[in-house]
Amino acid sequence: QKEVEQNSGPLSVPEGAIASLNCTYSDRVSQSFFWYRQYSGKSPELIMSIYSNGDKEDGRFTAQLNKASQYVSLLIRDSQPSDSATYLCAVSPGNQFYFGTGTSLTVIP
Amino acid sequence: DAGITQSPRHKVTETGTPVTLRCHQTENHRYMYWYRQDPGHGLRLIHYSYGVKDTDKGEVSDGYSVSRSKTEDFLLTLESATSSQTSVYFCAISDRGEVQPQHFGDGTRLSIL
Repeated sequence: QKEVEQNSGPLSVPEGAIASLNCTYSDRVSQSFFWYRQYSGKSPELIMSIYSNGDKEDGRFTAQLNKASQYVSLLIRDSQPSDSATYLCAVSPGNQFYFGTGTSLTVIP
Repeated sequence: DAGITQSPRHKVTETGTPVTLRCHQTENHRYMYWYRQDPGHGLRLIHYSYGVKDTDKGEVSDGYSVSRSKTEDFLLTLESATSSQTSVYFCAISDRGEVQPQHFGDGTRLSIL
């Protein structure tokens, strides 16, 4: 069983809409959760970190964590064509990070 | 941007040859990681280091070795490259392990013919 599961997509949303990306994880001791954005041919770049249950907002991005359900999500408000990328969920139960395979997002102008 | 430099950025080599990839950081971070990224598999951890001369295996360590003789350098060696090791390799660094996010280098695209 994979540690981190994400829908591979592709997910398409119109410009200005809310994009919702979801991630589930299997290790209950995980304490740290991260969302990365990866443009094609580039390296992953950190968007959000979240450590506690609830919502964390940063600009147009909101991360949501529910440890009881082992679920973490990323909402992107007012989606822009520049948000088109693959979004990776990462979970850390210890010194290692486990990454999902990513969800491909396309924002249609 | 985190000061992480990977070299080489691209390499083509033949099956059976040894290959060494280098990751150099200027952030003085304790933790360094090597990942490979393949379609359908995402990022998979090969090896990581939690200090000078302190390393541990990751999920896909077979066929790879690492060394860290200085805080700033983490080397990944393929002793005898195979075509299955064709991939994009990323180095990442972190200051405090699991409680701090990792920051990635630009990657090395390795092709083994």
